[in-house]
Amino acid sequence: DSGVTQTPKHLITATGQRVTLRCSPRSGDLSVYWYQQSLDQGLQFLIQYYNGEERAKGNILERFSAQQFPDLHSELNLSSLELGDSALYFCASSVPLLVSGGAQETQYFGPGTRLLVL
Amino acid sequence: AQKITQTQPGMFVQEKEAVTLDCTYDTSDPSYGLFWYKQPSSGEMIFLIYQGSYDQQNATEGRYSLNFQKARKSANLVISASQLGDSAMYFCAMREGLSGGYQKVTFGIGTKLQVIP
Repeated sequence: DSGVTQTPKHLITATGQRVTLRCSPRSGDLSVYWYQQSLDQGLQFLIQYYNGEERAKGNILERFSAQQFPDLHSELNLSSLELGDSALYFCASSVPLLVSGGAQETQYFGPGTRLLVL
Repeated sequence: AQKITQTQPGMFVQEKEAVTLDCTYDTSDPSYGLFWYKQPSSGEMIFLIYQGSYDQQNATEGRYSLNFQKARKSANLVISASQLGDSAMYFCAMREGLSGGYQKVTFGIGTKLQVIP
């Protein structure tokens, strides 16, 4: 158990709908990352939040948005869903590991939310 | 150019044997980190091992070791004494950028390892 929790575990919805995925990071972790894993695209980085602020954006569609709340949990909102949005969505959180040469970070992943769009 | 390249889509290894999973990377950032994750059929992503770009020695974590060859930009994962429970997808990943809250992480396409009894 990584300490990162994600809800729901499974989600089935229809095209055109909107869903919200929730993530609670490990205690003390300030960074939250969202990833999408699909069969044809592999594991794609979507977005990163650090202590409530957006820090990095990857291949996130405009139909998708995220936020990190003051208690550090994060939500990923997916709207106008399409069949191709069916995927496993992971949240990860990180804690800095201070090593020589600068701070390095390891990401710990939640169990994922499996989204099926019909 | 691919940031992370894993050239072995699938591999077989006999139980109790050692196996090496290949990973090459491409970055111009002097400060980066390399990771290996395991994804069993149940779907969760399990962190295995980390190597920093400034680390002088190869990282080891139990049966896992990372063969880091900086000049060749390779970070191969070595699993010693394979067990049936090692059967899974293995992903190599790279973090670029200094810390302080920012990092960009890229994953390879993965290698599917099957351990044969």
